[in-house]
Amino acid sequence: AIRMTQSPSSFSASTGDRVIITCRASQGISSYLAWYQQKPGKAPKLLIHAASTLQSGVPSRFSGSGSGTDFTLTISCLQSEDFATYYCQQYYSYPWTFGQGTKVEIK
Amino acid sequence: EVQLVESGGGLVQPGRSLRLSCAASGFTFNDYAMHWVRQAPEKGLEWVSGISWNSGSIGYADSVKGRFTISRDNAKNSLYLQMDSLTAEDTALYYCAKDTQGTSGAFDFWGQGTVVTVSS
Repeated sequence: AIRMTQSPSSFSASTGDRVIITCRASQGISSYLAWYQQKPGKAPKLLIHAASTLQSGVPSRFSGSGSGTDFTLTISCLQSEDFATYYCQQYYSYPWTFGQGTKVEIK
Repeated sequence: EVQLVESGGGLVQPGRSLRLSCAASGFTFNDYAMHWVRQAPEKGLEWVSGISWNSGSIGYADSVKGRFTISRDNAKNSLYLQMDSLTAEDTALYYCAKDTQGTSGAFDFWGQGTVVTVSS
């Protein structure tokens, strides 16, 4: 199975900060990479698919980049509603796999 | 409006079976792949199984392969997960998720989940 490794696992940030989360695949996955946001007690929400395509309705402060094995999720100006846990996921080959998650907390 | 409603969760003893269902509405069900994703208490997301629009492509996580069986009934707009030989490690919130594609894509809609607790 393809292993997805996110970094960092957690960190603290302030509103207005630029935030970058990275995701590395154990083998090449082209651009078959999605990012999700999950808040406590809620189902995950799709933010980005195909590594860099913003899902409809998602604010433009979210962006994704990368291909092959290295990917990033950037939040250009962190808002209060962005404090959550973020997951990357590959859908290049079965079994699909998620990263372990990155928790973004309030500083 | 897309809706995914899971059911069938509950408390079950180790070694027993459980069948989860997901009722879908608000989209053309037979155009899209569907998936089950689980989340153990205070843990991350784990993809469990997925099935293509026509059931021609099916996949399982290594942790459930040989014990779980995914299926769908396009006439009933429903997705299922038959879970056999359950262990405590299967305790989790199980989500049904809609794929963006007919075969393999990201998950653009999720249900609210159904809780499975495996305990004696």
